Amino acid sequence: EAQVTQNPRYLITVTGKKLTVTCSQNMNHEYMSWYRQDPGLGLRQIYYSMNVEVTDKGDVPEGYKVSRKEKRNFPLILESPSPNQTSLYFCASSPQGAFNEKLFFGSGTQLSVL
Amino acid sequence: DQQVKQNSPSLSVQEGRISILNCDYTNSMFDYFLWYKKYPAEGPTFLISISSIKDKNEDGRFTVFLNKSAKHLSLHIVPSQPGDSAVYFCAATDNYGQNFVFGPGTRLSVLP
Repeated sequence: EAQVTQNPRYLITVTGKKLTVTCSQNMNHEYMSWYRQDPGLGLRQIYYSMNVEVTDKGDVPEGYKVSRKEKRNFPLILESPSPNQTSLYFCASSPQGAFNEKLFFGSGTQLSVL
Repeated sequence: DQQVKQNSPSLSVQEGRISILNCDYTNSMFDYFLWYKKYPAEGPTFLISISSIKDKNEDGRFTVFLNKSAKHLSLHIVPSQPGDSAVYFCAATDNYGQNFVFGPGTRLSVLP
């Protein structure tokens, strides 16, 4: 089944403790991105990647890191999480990230930073 | 300042009637617009899209209208069904498709 898989679905952590949220897609998509969803703000892009070893900042990149060492995986890293990073996170992919391509989303990761 | 706005946080409609969800954008570089539907505990799923060279796109019960001069688009659902109850996000992107900008969403409730 074609899908975008995120892990974990739920995560509670404490301020400053490094964490990684994994994202994997099995559709051979070149484009992958991370979003956070907050009430009243919709989905805001954190980082995106047009291809392996190519990553760029989205609208809200502060406090996050990403890497794209292989096409299928695009982990989101929080080196020193803070409470304002408590949010619902979505990973997404599309075939080429080009004009007229739609995004496929994972099921989300609910992160709470205490 | 939000580039994509959905000014109605929620909307309730009777089953069988028409649902109209609205979206406004400010960036004139946006060339492609999408609607996503999101159920609780699931990721958003693609619903319908429209290119800026068109003013209407239809797919079954769903129709999207685009008014470029007003920077406004709307999603019509006819007839509305209880299974359509979800949060609907409007999204926009430019020619390069690298940055998808989403609105805050509208929660649609279709009452039986």
